[in-house]
Amino acid sequence: GQNIDQPTEMTATEGAIVQINCTYQTSGFNGLFWYQQHAGEAPTFLSYNVLDGLEEKGRFSSFLSRSKGYSYLLLKELQMKDSASYLCAVLDSNYQLIWGAGTKLIIKP
Amino acid sequence: ETGVTQTPRHLVMGMTNKKSLKCEQHLGHNAMYWYKQSAKKPLELMFVYSLEERVENNSVPSRFSPECPNSSHLFLHLHTLQPEDSALYLCASSLQTSGAYNEQFFGPGTRLTVL
Repeated sequence: GQNIDQPTEMTATEGAIVQINCTYQTSGFNGLFWYQQHAGEAPTFLSYNVLDGLEEKGRFSSFLSRSKGYSYLLLKELQMKDSASYLCAVLDSNYQLIWGAGTKLIIKP
Repeated sequence: ETGVTQTPRHLVMGMTNKKSLKCEQHLGHNAMYWYKQSAKKPLELMFVYSLEERVENNSVPSRFSPECPNSSHLFLHLHTLQPEDSALYLCASSLQTSGAYNEQFFGPGTRLTVL
């Protein structure tokens, strides 16, 4: 079966750095997405990785290792507004998105 | 604002009611999706439409009935639902249904409660 694993919940301090991990087992791989979802709002696109390595976009970076079936989302200089759920999703060989359950990130002052 | 709107934002219905959820996208996309989001569970894909034709139905109970009259509008008709159907229903759109980097744009969702 296809599976995406990510931690259920994480807590971090304002101004700090946090890394949210995602591991996957899917039938084929055509890219990995990270989405952010604030409570009661739509998921919004953060990043897309299809090649190994680190993609940096401002305070957010996303890393992919296809051989390990592993990705992480790195958030730097945390702000209170970063409190949200972070969803990892993989495009499989049929171009279907397989979703993780999301990681709820709580930022404390 | 992602360019995808959904109405209503909240809905409470009894098990014998009939209601409809509406989704509209203003992005010129060709593909539209219905997802169910339950607490602490992965997004569950319910239906996929490409150019108004249904291309995927992930074994969803018949009490959920989708309709896609054109590439900008998508409906989800609900009847005789069960309490376990209570969830956030998300609509999304993308340029196409296949191909890499197929970013999906989501609406804010309809929070459905079935009593």
